[in-house]
Amino acid sequence: DAMVIQNPRYQVTQFGKPVTLSCSQTLNHNVMYWYQQKSSQAPKLLFHYYDKDFNNEADTPDNFQSRRPNTSFCFLDIRSPGLGDAAMYLCATSRDEGPTPTEAFFGQGTRLTVV
Amino acid sequence: LAKTTQPISMDSYEGQEVNITCSHNNIATNDYITWYQQFPSQGPRFIIQGYKTKVTNEVASLFIPADRKSSTLSLPRVSLSDTAVYYCLVGFHMDTGRRALTFGSGTRLQVQP
Repeated sequence: DAMVIQNPRYQVTQFGKPVTLSCSQTLNHNVMYWYQQKSSQAPKLLFHYYDKDFNNEADTPDNFQSRRPNTSFCFLDIRSPGLGDAAMYLCATSRDEGPTPTEAFFGQGTRLTVV
Repeated sequence: LAKTTQPISMDSYEGQEVNITCSHNNIATNDYITWYQQFPSQGPRFIIQGYKTKVTNEVASLFIPADRKSSTLSLPRVSLSDTAVYYCLVGFHMDTGRRALTFGSGTRLQVQP
């Protein structure tokens, strides 16, 4: 059974038109991550939530925002998508409550195309 | 955050053992070493994690020398389905004291028949 679910799997948006990607989890994990992965590149961390605390990477563009209304859901908002924002967007979760890192679970990703 | 260095690509044949080494010279005392596997158009998948010496699970082994400045992922008897990109991650602890998963460049493994 899917534990980290991303919707939609494929999203086409127009240049400059706001778009929202969603992620839900059934694992009750306290940490949720959003990554951007362009072709033949490693996933790049955009931001993550540690419980309700939002942590933005220093080089994440202001164009990218995120919301986490509750433990299970997290959203990635791209306010004005540009052609350079076309990528696979990956959501991941982990339970971080002690000194030992735990396995992170990734969703299947949403492939965003900007036209 | 500790930086990792891996070979860009490796080739192997079915049935062979594959060893992928990751360098992480500035690993911190409390950092763990974790490996993920990623197939095209899929999210990364956890393979194995360790802190020191050797860790083994049903799919791989992880060898970590005493100085912890490198680690080696060992895949026994690879098959065509092991063709993927393998990422080594260290340095979970951010300035805030909390963790974040940061990926290095990864190693693209191609297994031939």
